Amino acid sequence: QSILTQPPSVSAAPGQRVTISCSGSSSNIGNNYVSWYQQQLPGTAPKLLIYDNDKRSSGIPDRFSGSKSGTSATLGITGLQTGDEADYYCLTWDSSLSAGIFGGGTKLTVL
Amino acid sequence: EIQVLESGGGLEQPGGSLRLSCAASGFTFSTSSMRWVRQAPGQGLEWLSGISGSDDRTYYADSVKGRFTISRDNSKNTVHLQMNSLRAEDTAVYYCAALPGSGSEYWGQGIVVTVSS
Repeated sequence: QSILTQPPSVSAAPGQRVTISCSGSSSNIGNNYVSWYQQQLPGTAPKLLIYDNDKRSSGIPDRFSGSKSGTSATLGITGLQTGDEADYYCLTWDSSLSAGIFGGGTKLTVL
Repeated sequence: EIQVLESGGGLEQPGGSLRLSCAASGFTFSTSSMRWVRQAPGQGLEWLSGISGSDDRTYYADSVKGRFTISRDNSKNTVHLQMNSLRAEDTAVYYCAALPGSGSEYWGQGIVVTVSS
């Protein structure tokens, strides 16, 4: 059970928009940057999508966006494609733990 | 070409030790922070440990603190994860990631560690 809360699953139709939330506290999201990762298949290396809350990593299309407000962060994906089906994770630093923490992950299904 | 390659995984008995290595090339290793992440079967990603590129400070998740040790050898562009007192719950795919900065990250393909008698 992660201390960062993500919805276990989200779904939307191709072409639609979806958001994935990541909720934490002042010791983590509230005072640290958030990154977002896409993992196409369990057991394969995750891909960095968003860093520093809202900056896209190199090569990531602008369909992907990140935002942060208070102790929550959100990943947005527009123009959904079947290739976007994957698990998505948020990652931030926890200043109390002096350690990084991942959210529990969200499985995106493109119907 | 940027490469990050983990080695040293395998099968170990509970209570035993393994040393994972991560060899990197194609970027400035010495100033890059390095990170270990794992994924147990059917589970999500777990941040394990990190070592800074500037001052070699080390950080650990509570789940491995006191059992795992991260270290780096800048002369060989390698980071290690010494894993002692292994438990069945340490069974996972272990990933090494390099963080040179400015949003760049390079991940290895992962290596399997199985702890079982």
